[in-house]
Amino acid sequence: AQSVTQLDSHVSVSEGTPVLLRCNYSSSYSPSLFWYVQHPNKGLQLLLKYTSAATLVKGINGFEAEFKKSETSFHLTKPSAHMSDAAEYFCVVSTLPSEGQNFVFGPGTRLSVLP
Amino acid sequence: GAGVSQSPSNKVTEKGKDVELRCDPISGHTALYWYRQSLGQGLEFLIYFQGNSAPDKSGLPSDRFSAERTGGSVSTLTIQRTQQEDSAVYLCASSVRSWPQYFGPGTRLLVL
Repeated sequence: AQSVTQLDSHVSVSEGTPVLLRCNYSSSYSPSLFWYVQHPNKGLQLLLKYTSAATLVKGINGFEAEFKKSETSFHLTKPSAHMSDAAEYFCVVSTLPSEGQNFVFGPGTRLSVLP
Repeated sequence: GAGVSQSPSNKVTEKGKDVELRCDPISGHTALYWYRQSLGQGLEFLIYFQGNSAPDKSGLPSDRFSAERTGGSVSTLTIQRTQQEDSAVYLCASSVRSWPQYFGPGTRLLVL
């Protein structure tokens, strides 16, 4: 069985500073990894996904994540935070097939961006 | 509409009553998921439909929960004899892939 840990329940950054949201996973097999974002009162949106191609994955809105097998991590980063980035972020781990119960969400990290 | 829609957006019910939650996926999407999100928690998988295959019901928490998907499109999640611990936001997602691509805004259920 796979699991995912998001080390910080809440991260606060100033506008214009870098963002780092941490995610570690546990999986018996080569995983697929995803990040989703949930803005207040809006549906979840896929930010990016890793499915065994390039280890550095670029997503929407300037976010990127790097798959590090040796560290079992898939941290989400952005060079410069914007006020509109304030939201809840979910890391997801999945083993093949990436469907159904194999798709496991982490508990989420709430990102606050201060002016 | 262009996205996944869910109805009602909010539902308040009394303990012991049955409720039905509806999900309209994006047209042509073969995969449909239901999740439950409790306050401050991650998403809990409930059920997964893929085309004409038998649904993956492994996440349904009890036999009070059931779901169906008619004609490969609209899905209904039914909760019988609701309990206070059923209070949560119920999310639906659809996809042309196997993994959830597009989520609806959710139905917020409150059981009094």
